[in-house]
Amino acid sequence: EVQLVQSGAEVKKPGDSLRISCKASGYTFTTYWISWVRLVPGNGLEWMARIDPSDSYTNYSPSFQGHVTVSTDRSSNIAFLQWNSLKASDTGLYFCARHDGGLNWFDPWGQGTLVTVSS
Amino acid sequence: SDELAQPLSVSVALGQTARITCGGSNIGIRNVHWYQLKPGQAPVVVIYRETNRPSGIPERFSGSKSGNTATLIISGAQAGDEADYFCQVWDNPTAVFGGGTKLTVL
Repeated sequence: EVQLVQSGAEVKKPGDSLRISCKASGYTFTTYWISWVRLVPGNGLEWMARIDPSDSYTNYSPSFQGHVTVSTDRSSNIAFLQWNSLKASDTGLYFCARHDGGLNWFDPWGQGTLVTVSS
Repeated sequence: SDELAQPLSVSVALGQTARITCGGSNIGIRNVHWYQLKPGQAPVVVIYRETNRPSGIPERFSGSKSGNTATLIISGAQAGDEADYFCQVWDNPTAVFGGGTKLTVL
C-alpha cells in the first residue's frame, strides 16, 4: 500500500526554525514527485512547492519562495519542509502529496501536520 | 497565474444531484482534478483529468468539462458526501487550487 506518513503536530514561537517530515512507503520513492500543500481555514488549499526526489529539482510557489525549503533524504524515503524563521501567519495544516512528473493529480496525501506559531 | 473560481457553498437534498463548478480562463487547456476534504482527514482525489474516477470512489461521483468550466457531479448525494471540494490544475510549474466549495446535504 502506498502511504505518506507525516510527523506530528508542532507548536513554535515566531522566529523559531522547524522541519517537518513526510515518510513514503509502498513505492519507489524516486519515481514520483512530492508536493507540499497548506490548508488554512478561510484560505483553502495552497500549493507551496514540489520536489523530484530523483535529483532534488524543486519548484516553489511565488507566495512561499524564499520562506520555505523542501528537500528529501533518498536513503530514508523522507521528504522535508523547512522554515528558518517562522511567522504567526505560518500557522496551518500542512500536507505532503505524491504526484508524477506529468503534472497529474495528487494521490495519496499524508495525514497532515498541524503547525501552530504563537508567542 | 491561473485562478480558479468555485462557489463557496452548494446545498443538495439527500439523494439528489449536486453540481460543483470550477471556472477559469485556461480551464479548457488544462487537466482538472477534484479533491474531497473532510475535517480531520487527508484530501482524497475523487475525479482526475475531468472525468476519471479512481478505484474505490463511488460511481455517483463523475465529472465533466465544457469550455472554461469543469463540473463535479454527485448523483444521489449521501450524507457522507458532506465535505469541502477543491478543483486543481497545473499552471506549469505550479499547482493551483480553487477556493473550495462546501457541500451540504440536507
